[in-house]
Amino acid sequence: EAGVAQSPRYKIIEKRQSVAFWCNPISGHATLYWYQQILGQGPKLLIQFQNNGVVDDSQLPKDRFSAERLKGVDSTLKIQPAKLEDSAVYLCASSLSGSYNEQFFGPGTRLTVL
Amino acid sequence: RKEVEQDPGPFNVPEGATVAFNCTYSNSASQSFFWYRQDCRKEPKLLMSVYSSGNEDGRFTAQLNRASQYISLLIRDSKLSDSATYLCVVNRDSGGSNYKLTFGKGTLLTVNP
Repeated sequence: EAGVAQSPRYKIIEKRQSVAFWCNPISGHATLYWYQQILGQGPKLLIQFQNNGVVDDSQLPKDRFSAERLKGVDSTLKIQPAKLEDSAVYLCASSLSGSYNEQFFGPGTRLTVL
Repeated sequence: RKEVEQDPGPFNVPEGATVAFNCTYSNSASQSFFWYRQDCRKEPKLLMSVYSSGNEDGRFTAQLNRASQYISLLIRDSKLSDSATYLCVVNRDSGGSNYKLTFGKGTLLTVNP
């Protein structure tokens, strides 16, 4: 079974630039999550989708971060403009409906903002 | 108080040792509990769920004390391959039949030959 796919794996940008990350969840998984993991910390949920609807974006910095899952399958997360403190690994995860089920994580995108 | 707090670590143990990790959570409405494992520069993966009655999977034993809001993970006969960061994870109902996972900071374990 194919896992969660993410791209790119690495990205280096300068502050104030824009960046976008892509995620393709496991087939059939209705719930998709974006997490931010800063070095030395556990993953922090940014946004959770159920199909193409947002169910939790309470920790998403909406002045600069946006995410969409238009057809209820793959998703993009965008940062515009980036700040130095956005340097982190951005993890996408998916699960069968609802986070009561096991979440499967993708390999992540390592973002460095200079 | 943080929603999920873990032993800060790091833990350095010899092969064959027994090691225990502790975790506390602040929200008494939390409903399910997990330990995830994260290898260096890799994604987290589910190690095991934690049940009220306690559960065991080979060399790993997880326990939950709801009254004390405390979770533990015990690893017996440590192997070199157990070296990783162990993340305590708590799931609670965030409303509308949705659940939210909160991860602890993680505890780094290094098993030495």
